[in-house]
Amino acid sequence: GQQLNQSPQSMFIQEGEDVSMNCTSSSIFNTWLWYKQDPGEGPVLLIALYKAGELTSNGRLTAQFGITRKDSFLNISASIPSDVGIYFCAGPDSGAGSYQLTFGKGTKLSVIP
Amino acid sequence: SAVISQKPSRDICQRGTSLTIQCQVDSQVTMMFWYRQQPGQSLTLIATANQGSEATYESGFVIDKFPISRPNLTFSTLTVSNMSPEDSSIYLCSAYRLAGRFYEQYFGPGTRLTVT
Repeated sequence: GQQLNQSPQSMFIQEGEDVSMNCTSSSIFNTWLWYKQDPGEGPVLLIALYKAGELTSNGRLTAQFGITRKDSFLNISASIPSDVGIYFCAGPDSGAGSYQLTFGKGTKLSVIP
Repeated sequence: SAVISQKPSRDICQRGTSLTIQCQVDSQVTMMFWYRQQPGQSLTLIATANQGSEATYESGFVIDKFPISRPNLTFSTLTVSNMSPEDSSIYLCSAYRLAGRFYEQYFGPGTRLTVT
């Protein structure tokens, strides 16, 4: 199946700083999804991207669908303590149909107050 | 969006027993899935729960170990059978609804299972 490489694996930042993380694939994705998972909770969908080059914002979050359709990034501006969690990128596995998700390994974000 | 609930939220079970996890979605959805997440790891798809037919399992997962039911468009169960400590994990229910070209998949809060 397809694989998603997500980086960085973890990051420690000061409150107020901006954050950037990305996801790359060796194959094309038609949809990119970004999730956040808090400890003890299920992943929550943050942003969905459907078109190459698309740039979408959700509050302090901005995500872009790479023009090659093989990458995506997520930016968080002016981080706050509640941004702490694990961020996953995901995309439908086109090889098995259009609905089974492949997940990256996640970026663990820690925010230092 | 879809609101998904799972029961139980957590459980501690003895080796050799079975546990059934329930998943309820607040509206009809196209597809339902079951994932497993080992501590500190990413999500791994166990199977797709098909309404009215047998579930479709991913490589490494079998029906005898993880029987799944989906009697209607809003409800599914996953049973973890003959448990061993290696089954300790978070089990997540997920639902997908296709609306035009838009694809969104939502997750339940998870069931944290510990096998002793």
